[in-house]
Amino acid sequence: EADIYQTPRYLVIGTGKKITLECSQTMGHDKMYWYQQDPGMELHLIHYSYGVNSTEKGDLSSESTVSRIRTEHFPLTLESARPSHTSQYLCASSEFGRVTEAFFGQGTRLTVV
Amino acid sequence: DAKTTQPNSMESNEEEPVHLPCNHSTISGTDYIHWYRQLPSQGPEYVIHGLTSNVNNRMASLAIAEDRKSSTLILHRATLRDAAVYYCILRGYSGGGADGLTFGKGTHLIIQP
Repeated sequence: EADIYQTPRYLVIGTGKKITLECSQTMGHDKMYWYQQDPGMELHLIHYSYGVNSTEKGDLSSESTVSRIRTEHFPLTLESARPSHTSQYLCASSEFGRVTEAFFGQGTRLTVV
Repeated sequence: DAKTTQPNSMESNEEEPVHLPCNHSTISGTDYIHWYRQLPSQGPEYVIHGLTSNVNNRMASLAIAEDRKSSTLILHRATLRDAAVYYCILRGYSGGGADGLTFGKGTHLIIQP
């Protein structure tokens, strides 16, 4: 079983609210990732991190921000939610390297009304 | 990043073998071929990976062409629980960047009872 957890699983929130999506892993992995996925569509990498105090933007531009203060924790924040942010957000972690397995959380389905 | 090409969808019958193809004609000598799958309403999960030789594990087999420009994921006896989107990706970094953990559209596998 993967030891990576995302909360909340579902979130419905009003426009303009600040939200933080939580992602935690207990495997000690240095690499962590955030993906955005619309229903029936492909995953888009929006942020990743090499380790503590490291954050990088992914292939898809996103208005969200991330932080990595602790190895196990990689939260994603939207300062002012908009309906266009409605999507599923998936968090993943892995060790460094080309042969390592990545573990994904269950995802947070965000709806902004 | 080297790219992969997969059919958009495939259909198979329950308890029959399934062969999911992936083309990666621009693969480099150091790229590993990874397969992930995403069950409905779940995050992706690792299936298998390989470099040059064919690989087997409890979930599937991976057959890699001699020139490495294509590979095939083999599910030996598909069940309804194997219905998912299957992603073929190439991981070519040893630590920098996103470790090649970028996903395409994948193949939507439909299993008929």
